[in-house]
Amino acid sequence: DQQVKQNSPSLSVQEGRISILNCDYTNSMFDYFLWYKKYPAEGPTFLISISSIKDKNEDGRFTVFLNKSAKHLSLHIVPSQPGDSAVYFCAASVTGTASKLTFGTGTRLQVTL
Amino acid sequence: NAGVMQNPRHLVRRRGQEARLRCSPMKGHSHVYWYRQLPEEGLKFMVYLQKENIIDESGMPKERFSAEFPKEGPSILRIQQVVRGDSAAYFCASSPVSGGNEQYFGPGTRLTVT
Repeated sequence: DQQVKQNSPSLSVQEGRISILNCDYTNSMFDYFLWYKKYPAEGPTFLISISSIKDKNEDGRFTVFLNKSAKHLSLHIVPSQPGDSAVYFCAASVTGTASKLTFGTGTRLQVTL
Repeated sequence: NAGVMQNPRHLVRRRGQEARLRCSPMKGHSHVYWYRQLPEEGLKFMVYLQKENIIDESGMPKERFSAEFPKEGPSILRIQQVVRGDSAAYFCASSPVSGGNEQYFGPGTRLTVT
């Protein structure tokens, strides 16, 4: 039962344009969401997070949007840079519990010149 | 400013041997999580530990796998009698507190069972 889904396995975007990565979840108990970036042979690196009391959180070039009614979140990267090429994982947790993260299967972003 | 440390980075074991994976959390972090990533899949939660306590082991296989986080020293994930299906990347993460905060990941240990 995949509770967090990233339906696009890959995405290619031109340098300077916007990258939009999507994530859907099914468990209505999730109230904290995170995005991680992962390069090959390295561990995931935390990018940005959002609590369910917000619908938007911004950090530099990265913005995460949360639509609770649709159980959907997205990560926007503007402008996209070649160094952003990596696999992006969406993760969700329930605050106040053991806080284990439930991950999606990832989206491979390629930013082309 | 050391991050989460894991060793070894690569581990090769023959079927039936034991694998021991080590994780030292970031300084000031007292919560440790282990995740496993099979090829072409996302990370799957295995176990959550605090010092000397297992808090949640709902993701651990029932047999052959165990984890500890002693009062002194690193957290250890132990796999007994490894099988080919155990081949995966094992990641450790730490956080200063529980309850929705960010977890910071180590570089992982890539286990290959031959």
